[in-house]
Order: sequence, then C-alpha cells, then structure tokens
Amino acid sequence: DVKVTQSSRYLVKRTGEKVFLECVQDMDHENMFWYRQDPGLGLRLIYFSYDVKMKEKGDIPEGYSVSREKKERFSLILESASTNQTSMYLCASSFRPQHFGDGTRLSIL
Amino acid sequence: ELKVEQNPLFLSMQEGKNYTIYCNYSTTSDRLYWYRQDPGKSLESLFVLLSNGAVKQEGRLMASLDTKARLSTLHITAAVHDLSATYFCAVAVQGGSEKLVFGKGTKLTVNP
Repeated sequence: DVKVTQSSRYLVKRTGEKVFLECVQDMDHENMFWYRQDPGLGLRLIYFSYDVKMKEKGDIPEGYSVSREKKERFSLILESASTNQTSMYLCASSFRPQHFGDGTRLSIL
Repeated sequence: ELKVEQNPLFLSMQEGKNYTIYCNYSTTSDRLYWYRQDPGKSLESLFVLLSNGAVKQEGRLMASLDTKARLSTLHITAAVHDLSATYFCAVAVQGGSEKLVFGKGTKLTVNP
C-alpha cells in the first residue's frame, strides 16, 4: 500500500511566520502535489512536482513556495503566513490514482 | 481551462433509496477518478475510469463514464448509513502531466 505521511496533523502559527509543511511518500513516485481544501471550494492545487528539483505552479501558488530535494519528500513553504492561509493542506503522490496523506490543519493567528 | 462541476453539492437520503451524483467536465480528458472523504479524514480512491463507457462497481456504488457527453455518474443503490461521506470527482488535465481538477464535492448524508 502507498503511504503518504504529512509531518503534522494540526499546526498553529502566527501571522508573518515562515511555515514549513512536510510530506514523505514511500512508493518512489515521480509526481507529488500540494492542495488546500476549504469548505465550499473543494480541493485546489497549489504546486506540484514531477521530479526532483522540478516544480510547477498550480491554480493558487501566491504566497507559497515548494522544495523537492529528494524524490520521496515534498515541502510546502508559507513564506510569510497570513490569516487567509488558514486551511486544511493535503499532500498527494501519484501514479494513478493520486494517494493522499492525512492532511495538516493549519491555523494562522 | 478544465472546469469540473458536481451536483448536487448536498444530498440527504433515506436508507434503502437509490440516487445518482453527477460530474460534468468542460474539456476532453482521458481519466476520471472518484474519491471518498470521511469527516476529518483524508481522501480515499474509489474508482478510476479510463475509457468511454467504462463502468466500475464496488458494493452499493457504481461509477460510469461517458466521454462524449463529458459526464460521469456515481450511482448509489439501497443506501446505508455507512455511505455517509463527501464524494469528489476529479478529472485529469490533458497534456501528459498528472494534474487533476476536482469538483467541489457532494456531501451525502444517509438517514435511518
């Protein structure tokens, strides 16, 4: 079974902090994804990566960056957290279908 | 730009009844997925539909795909309480990447 592990289930940070969300997969997948999920809006793609050091912007990349230094690990970075980034963040790795981690519920105060 | 529309967004039904959730999408795609999400949990893959006319069944759920109409349906037969969850369809973006566009989800509540 594919396992996608997100480092934190719940996280509380302050406005202006730099926040790191980590995701690790154990299936040697090339593709990894970061989504945010908000009520009424479904899942929206922030960034994805199709190989080590390769990344592409998704639909809502503003205020975020990513890092993929190793194949199994994909990090989402909030450069300067703001309250409108309070959300559920989901990581996924793929090959068909995408397999999701348990999510990180992030609150920015 | 690929857009995915699911309806209804909320569905309350009685145990034993049948119902269908619809997923329409706006541009050509060769793959469509259905996922289930329980409250506070992550997404679990239910079905992968790869070709026109594809039909997959698992228990009381059956998914089908009509690529010409750009429509997929998730049919629930004789609903039971355990099926209460949010169901998402996701459509693959054409062009060789593994990007998906998700519908907003259908929150299904099955009442005794």
